[in-house]
Amino acid sequence: EAGVAQSPRYKIIEKRQSVAFWCNPISGHATLYWYQQILGQGPKLLIQFQNNGVVDDSQLPKDRFSAERLKGVDSTLKIQPAKLEDSAVYLCASSFTGTANTGELFFGEGSRLTVL
Amino acid sequence: GDSVTQMEGPVTLSEEAFLTINCTYTATGYPSLFWYVQYPGEGLQLLLKATKADDKGSNKGFEATYRKETTSFHLEKGSVQVSDSAVYFCALSSSSNTGKLIFGQGTTLQVKP
Repeated sequence: EAGVAQSPRYKIIEKRQSVAFWCNPISGHATLYWYQQILGQGPKLLIQFQNNGVVDDSQLPKDRFSAERLKGVDSTLKIQPAKLEDSAVYLCASSFTGTANTGELFFGEGSRLTVL
Repeated sequence: GDSVTQMEGPVTLSEEAFLTINCTYTATGYPSLFWYVQYPGEGLQLLLKATKADDKGSNKGFEATYRKETTSFHLEKGSVQVSDSAVYFCALSSSSNTGKLIFGQGTTLQVKP
């Protein structure tokens, strides 16, 4: 079974530039999450989708971050304009929904962003 | 709000030593509790879980018991190996079951031969 795919794996940009990350979840997983993991900290949820609807985006800095999941499958997370403090690993995860949900999230390898 | 606190790392042990990584949580209701592991160069993966009080999760020689009275979920292994070197994250999923996980800050384990 293919895992959660993310790209790019690494990205270096200057502050005030924009960047986009892509995620393809495991087939059949209706729920998709974007987490931000700053060095030395645990992952923090940015946004949660169920199919193509947003379940939770309470911790997404909406002045600069946006995310979409147009057809309920792939998702894109965008940052514009980037700040130095956005340097982090952006993790995508997916899970089953409803009675098939065991509580386990399946994570991609992450996209590491460095903002100079 | 809900939160998870883990012991500070890094933890450095010799091979075959006993491991404990402490984890305590704050949550309303009855959360599910998880340990995730991140090996070097790999993504986070589930190590074990427990969904109700007094449940014991176990996998690959690791164990953790859901203790509601002490709000704890400490990770233990009787004899660590070099291959266990990784970052370990304790996490909870709230009883409202939206599915999202709240993570602790992670504990780095280094096992030396």
